[in-house]
Amino acid sequence: DGGITQSPKYLFRKEGQNVTLSCEQNLNHDAMYWYRQDPGQGLRLIYYSQIVNDFQKGDIAEGYSVSREKKESFPLTVTSAQKNPTAFYLCASSILIGRWGQKNTGELFFGEGSRLTVL
Amino acid sequence: KQEVTQIPAALSVPEGENLVLNCSFTDSAIYNLQWFRQDPGKGLTSLLLIQSSQREQTSGRLNASLDKSSGRSTLYIAASQPGDSATYLCAVMDFGNEKLTFGTGTRLTIIP
Repeated sequence: DGGITQSPKYLFRKEGQNVTLSCEQNLNHDAMYWYRQDPGQGLRLIYYSQIVNDFQKGDIAEGYSVSREKKESFPLTVTSAQKNPTAFYLCASSILIGRWGQKNTGELFFGEGSRLTVL
Repeated sequence: KQEVTQIPAALSVPEGENLVLNCSFTDSAIYNLQWFRQDPGKGLTSLLLIQSSQREQTSGRLNASLDKSSGRSTLYIAASQPGDSATYLCAVMDFGNEKLTFGTGTRLTIIP
């Protein structure tokens, strides 16, 4: 079945360590996104990518890094510079608006999320 | 900067009742508006998407409306069931900016 797979589902990290969250999609979508969700707050955009080998910072990119070497994959690294990394991380993908004309709705599809806890 | 608000933050209703969830946004130049459902500890599931040229969308017991001029959308759930208990989020995509701005959600509890 087509979809978005995030791993691991749960991750524990010691302070000072970098960790990488995986996101893979087989929907043939051009655009991929990373969001962070904290209790009582809406989802906040960390990074997004519209094409391979290109990505843009979102609203809260500090302390995070990404790569987009393949269309299917968009891993997120939470670095030791991120001051408050404990959160629920969500990856999403969509068809790029305008790429396929009228058929493109811009609908976003999400993975099941990864919960990161810093000990 | 687009801002999306969902009020109330939490809502409890008896099973079988019809209910309305509200979403408001500050900038009416949107490309689309999406409603999502999120169960505890899970990702988001897309429920309905309304394009800027549309007034409403329906799927089963769900109906979403859009009034761009007033910056409002509603999600109507008919004949509520305990399985409808979840957090419902709305999000808008602005024209020329392929990023979503999310509301903080309404946590819905259906009481059997």
